[in-house]
Amino acid sequence: EPEVTQTPSHQVTQMGQEVILRCVPISNHLYFYWYRQILGQKVEFLVSFYNNEISEKSEIFDDQFSVERPDGSNFTLKIRSTKLEDSAMYFCASNGQHNEQFFGPGTRLTVL
Amino acid sequence: AQSVTQLGSHVSVSEGALVLLRCNYSSSVPPYLFWYVQYPNQGLQLLLKYTSAATLVKGINGFEAEFKKSETSFHLTKPSAHMSDAAEYFCAVSDRGYNKLIFGAGTRLAVHP
Repeated sequence: EPEVTQTPSHQVTQMGQEVILRCVPISNHLYFYWYRQILGQKVEFLVSFYNNEISEKSEIFDDQFSVERPDGSNFTLKIRSTKLEDSAMYFCASNGQHNEQFFGPGTRLTVL
Repeated sequence: AQSVTQLGSHVSVSEGALVLLRCNYSSSVPPYLFWYVQYPNQGLQLLLKYTSAATLVKGINGFEAEFKKSETSFHLTKPSAHMSDAAEYFCAVSDRGYNKLIFGAGTRLAVHP
């Protein structure tokens, strides 16, 4: 069964460093998303991506964040200068033709 | 704006008992509604979805949910709880099938022998 994959599973970084979180969506899906879940809190939408451009972004998704689909398979989230409050689980999701978002296993980002 | 309220951050049931997890939504347009389950240290798995077809929706693992427009509710039920159902459950709403999901705060289900 096709699934969304994410790498790495856990990323530890120093405050101020850049991180890139990687996702491989399900191959025939057209819509892609990033969400985050701070420990003990609800899952929050960050950004959606369709047809090689951002379709919607939340207020969390400021200039420190960017997304890219560098090739036909990967979908990345970059945080340019990490802050302590960026520590969270980041989930990638993709959506095909049946109005269902499939989530990856997540990347746990720890900013020290 | 859309929102989701899940009543009860923790629910505990006995094995074999009815599971009822409550979800109320707010939406200015006909909603798409979803239930996801998250097992420890794992991602979110779709249990079931409502997309304006039948109001009673059946999902995986014996779960079902009923869309009640008059009550703006989409409660999740399972007739008989199993130990393996212990997890966190999230209700989510979207205004279109491909738009962002707005999640509730989640309900942690514990199942005891």
